[in-house]
Amino acid sequence: DAGVTQSPTHLIKTRGQQVTLRCSPKSGHDTVSWYQQALGQGPQFIFQYYEEEERQRGNFPDRFSGHQFPNYSSELNVNALLLGDSALYLCASTWDRVTGELFFGEGSRLTVL
Amino acid sequence: AQRVTQPEKLLSVFKGAPVELKCNYSYSGSPELFWYVQYSRQRLQLLLRHISRESIKGFTADLNKGETSFHLKKPFAQEEDSAMYYCAPAPMGGSQGNLIFGKGTKLSVKP
Repeated sequence: DAGVTQSPTHLIKTRGQQVTLRCSPKSGHDTVSWYQQALGQGPQFIFQYYEEEERQRGNFPDRFSGHQFPNYSSELNVNALLLGDSALYLCASTWDRVTGELFFGEGSRLTVL
Repeated sequence: AQRVTQPEKLLSVFKGAPVELKCNYSYSGSPELFWYVQYSRQRLQLLLRHISRESIKGFTADLNKGETSFHLKKPFAQEEDSAMYYCAPAPMGGSQGNLIFGKGTKLSVKP
């Protein structure tokens, strides 16, 4: 089992552009959460997807949106990129969205110039 | 506002010394509390959760509701304990998906 996989691992964008990050959850997991980790900070919760719907959302603007597919994989989209969006974006999956342990991917590092 | 404070950015100890990583939280309701760890070049992973009352890799964490603290302790640190440690509460009975992470403490265990 490859665990949680994320792509791409690194990418560079310019201000105003849009980006899509992808996540495949660990086998058997149906719930995906996304986190943003700025340099020197802990991860910040963006949102969580279960049964193809956004179930919970953190304090992030509407520029951040997501999607979950029938195979439980997920995408994070960020529109109108700002310099401050530069961060490591982490995906985490779990088998039980109430009690299950979170399993994290290695992240996608986004740099906005 | 829900907030987690890990006052030490860096904690450096010698091998065999006791270690305590501090965590204080401000959270409405009764949260469930977790410690996550990230070893060098590895993914963020769960170390322990207070509700299970386990000792993982020699680490324990005691929840003090009066002081709203959840400090992580180990009596004898090992070099392999060097890592980044994050304290994180989540809603009791709710989803772990929306953890609130502290800024983390980097533990360095010297030989």
